[in-house]
Amino acid sequence: ILNVEQSPQSLHVQEGDSTNFTCSFPSSNFYALHWYRWETAKSPEALFVMTLNGDEKKKGRISATLNTKEGYSYLYIKGSQPEDSATYLCALTTDSWGKFQFGAGTQVVVTP
Amino acid sequence: AAGVIQSPRHLIKEKRETATLKCYPIPRHDTVYWYQQGPGQDPQFLISFYEKMQSDKGSIPDRFSAQQFSDYHSELNMSSLELGDSALYFCASSWTSDNEQFFGPGTRLTVL
Repeated sequence: ILNVEQSPQSLHVQEGDSTNFTCSFPSSNFYALHWYRWETAKSPEALFVMTLNGDEKKKGRISATLNTKEGYSYLYIKGSQPEDSATYLCALTTDSWGKFQFGAGTQVVVTP
Repeated sequence: AAGVIQSPRHLIKEKRETATLKCYPIPRHDTVYWYQQGPGQDPQFLISFYEKMQSDKGSIPDRFSAQQFSDYHSELNMSSLELGDSALYFCASSWTSDNEQFFGPGTRLTVL
């Protein structure tokens, strides 16, 4: 079982501020890292799939970077909005058949 | 676009009863994954199916069984329910060649 850690556990952000948080994982046995955005009572929504060291993905105001050598990924939210409030889950797979090993998530609350 | 459907969304059972959770994957997806998220815990992988055959197995109790049917929907059968089985059960589906998993909204099982 891989140990996937996310920090911080929760984050309170003022509307308009930018923020970032981390997913850490063992750098060996890495195949892909996934970021999901999860709002309560809804399905987790896929944000990014990252596979290459130095990979950087962007979707609107949200972007992510990946460092497989040191075993971490950052998720950035630029100019946070109240609709960004959610739990952001990181999940790791070790092969293409991909059962996920999840982190505990970072809960982001954006206040107006 | 069609998403992963899970039913029921909520289920309340007594100890020692049985429960059946259903998952309908996105059309043309051939792989189904089941995850369990207990209170305050990370989602944990239970079992997965590819083309109606079990493809991987995680921390699934012997009291649980699952299968994938010819129409690719999957059912998780849980017997002799215990209080500790109370959790959110997620189903996810994917297409073989794509590592990305699409999640359903989950079934919240409460065992009294």
